[in-house]
Amino acid sequence: DTAVSQTPKYLVTQMGNDKSIKCEQNLGHDTMYWYKQDSKKFLKIMFSYNNKELIINETVPNRFSPKSPDKAHLNLHINSLELGDSAVYFCASSQDQGGWGGYTFGSGTRLTVV
Amino acid sequence: DQQVKQNSPSLSVQEGRISILNCDYTNSMFDYFLWYKKYPAEGPTFLISISSIKDKNEDGRFTVFLNKSAKHLSLHIVPSQPGDSAVYFCAASDGTGNQFYFGTGTSLTVIP
Repeated sequence: DTAVSQTPKYLVTQMGNDKSIKCEQNLGHDTMYWYKQDSKKFLKIMFSYNNKELIINETVPNRFSPKSPDKAHLNLHINSLELGDSAVYFCASSQDQGGWGGYTFGSGTRLTVV
Repeated sequence: DQQVKQNSPSLSVQEGRISILNCDYTNSMFDYFLWYKKYPAEGPTFLISISSIKDKNEDGRFTVFLNKSAKHLSLHIVPSQPGDSAVYFCAASDGTGNQFYFGTGTSLTVIP
């Protein structure tokens, strides 16, 4: 039973489209995150939510909108996709708000914009 | 600006020998550090942590060393096993922003 599951695993889409990535965790964690790993393997935080409330919103274009319907889910919706959005997106959760005990990551969604 | 750097993109080690993975950081306010291990097509998994009040933390075959004055930490794996072959990320936090800053990873290959 996967602790943090995200779907889809692969996503290929054309520029200008709108797409969503879903994430669910069954660990009972209060905090969830979205991270982006770019082509240089640089893993950078995008958003974090604690109990459905936005905690961190890094300098991410507002075409990216996270949605947390409950504390077990944090979905990522992306409007008007651009070539530069191609990356691997990781969802994660942590028991504490800061991630001090470590994050539990999903297996990633490889987004390719063509 | 990358605050956490792993300058060796790859490392190869013979099975049974020691693997040493290095990480440098620029922000002197960082006071908590984590190491993650990542297999292909999987997300990173938490491995070991260290707080700035310590200079060493050990967990089985894995030991992390912290040199605050040099802003440097390292992960030692002894003895290395083929199953340790993975990408290792270090991450650091200053405790204020509720987030960790990651390095770009070092790919370790343990040769049987």
